[in-house]
Amino acid sequence: EDQVTQSPEALRLQEGESSSLNCSYTVSGLRGLFWYRQDPGKGPEFLFTLYSAGEEKEKERLKATLTKKESFLHITAPKPEDSATYLCAVRTWGAQKLVFGQGTRLTINP
Amino acid sequence: ETGVTQSPTHLIKTRGQQVTLRCSSQSGHNTVSWYQQALGQGPQFIFQYYREEENGRGNFPPRFSGLQFPNYSSELNVNALELDDSALYLCASSPGTGGNTEAFFGQGTRLTVV
Repeated sequence: EDQVTQSPEALRLQEGESSSLNCSYTVSGLRGLFWYRQDPGKGPEFLFTLYSAGEEKEKERLKATLTKKESFLHITAPKPEDSATYLCAVRTWGAQKLVFGQGTRLTINP
Repeated sequence: ETGVTQSPTHLIKTRGQQVTLRCSSQSGHNTVSWYQQALGQGPQFIFQYYREEENGRGNFPPRFSGLQFPNYSSELNVNALELDDSALYLCASSPGTGGNTEAFFGQGTRLTVV
């Protein structure tokens, strides 16, 4: 069964303190890995799609990378407005669904 | 270009009742998926609709059913509500069913069953 595990469950940083969030996956055949940001009580907001090992994508202070077993979301010099839950999801070949991890709740203190 | 919109935003129902949630897909998107998100958890796939046909289903009982209309909007129906059905229900639309197409989510409907 396809599985996605995110770590840590929660992370508290000071403004400007860079860090990384981890998404480990076990799937039968990866078609795409997706990162979303979710604010409390809202729907997930699409950030990135990664398709193959070695791929990297950047958006403002965020950079996502992908290996054959995991993905990292690096956040550089974060600001309080980056506080949110970050969700990782995978889609496999022949499947319609996204399989999500449980998310990492990120808090950036001013 | 309008995004994915869901209605209502909040709903309170009594155990045993039935509920219908609605979703308007993003312009140009013909595929709609529904997810259930319990508090503190990641979303769980309920089912997907493509061109008005169910195109995949997760591990949810038959009392969860859906429809897609010719304009690609969709409904999620839940019969015989149980307390455990309390969750955020999310609709996502995408421009196709391919594995490399991104899914864009609405703001969700918060369902509380009492």
